[in-house]
Amino acid sequence: KQEVTQIPAALSVPEGENLVLNCSFTDSAIYNLQWFRQDPGKGLTSLLLIQSSQREQTSGRLNASLDKSSGRSTLYIAASQPGDSATYLCAARNDYKLSFGAGTTVTVRA
Amino acid sequence: EAGVAQSPRYKIIEKRQSVAFWCNPISGHATLYWYQQILGQGPKLLIQFQNNGVVDDSQLPKDRFSAERLKGVDSTLKIQPAKLEDSAVYLCASSLSDLEYFGPGTRLTVL
Repeated sequence: KQEVTQIPAALSVPEGENLVLNCSFTDSAIYNLQWFRQDPGKGLTSLLLIQSSQREQTSGRLNASLDKSSGRSTLYIAASQPGDSATYLCAARNDYKLSFGAGTTVTVRA
Repeated sequence: EAGVAQSPRYKIIEKRQSVAFWCNPISGHATLYWYQQILGQGPKLLIQFQNNGVVDDSQLPKDRFSAERLKGVDSTLKIQPAKLEDSAVYLCASSLSDLEYFGPGTRLTVL
């Protein structure tokens, strides 16, 4: 059974600082890995999807890396802004099923 | 393109009562998912439909939860009777391929 862990559970940084969010998974036979953003009272929005054959994926200020052999993924957010405040979840897909971590709640202070 | 619609957005019931949630996926999406997200945890898959058929319901508590997807479009999730531990956000998602699109969720509080 896939177990996904995200550390830390919460993070507070001043505006402009770079963010580093960590995700680890126990079963390396993943099909892909996704990073999601969740705002209070809202659903999940997909930020980045990394296929198992890829090492990283970039979108604007966001960059996600994947190391399948060590069971780790990292989400980097450059030059954080107050609007980046949200909960970030990673999810690993084995076959057709997504297994989620509990998320890291980020607060960016103005 | 309209997103995944869910209703109601909030529901408060007492334990042992029944409740139903509705989901309308994105048009053309064959796959529909129901997730349960307990406060402080990641979403947990309850059931996955491919068109009308169930692909996975291994984590659905079948003694109290049921779900159906009529005509391969809309879906309802029912809880009968509800327990205190069912308090959670129930998320519906749909997909065409690898990318899942989530609805805003229904927040259920069981008193």
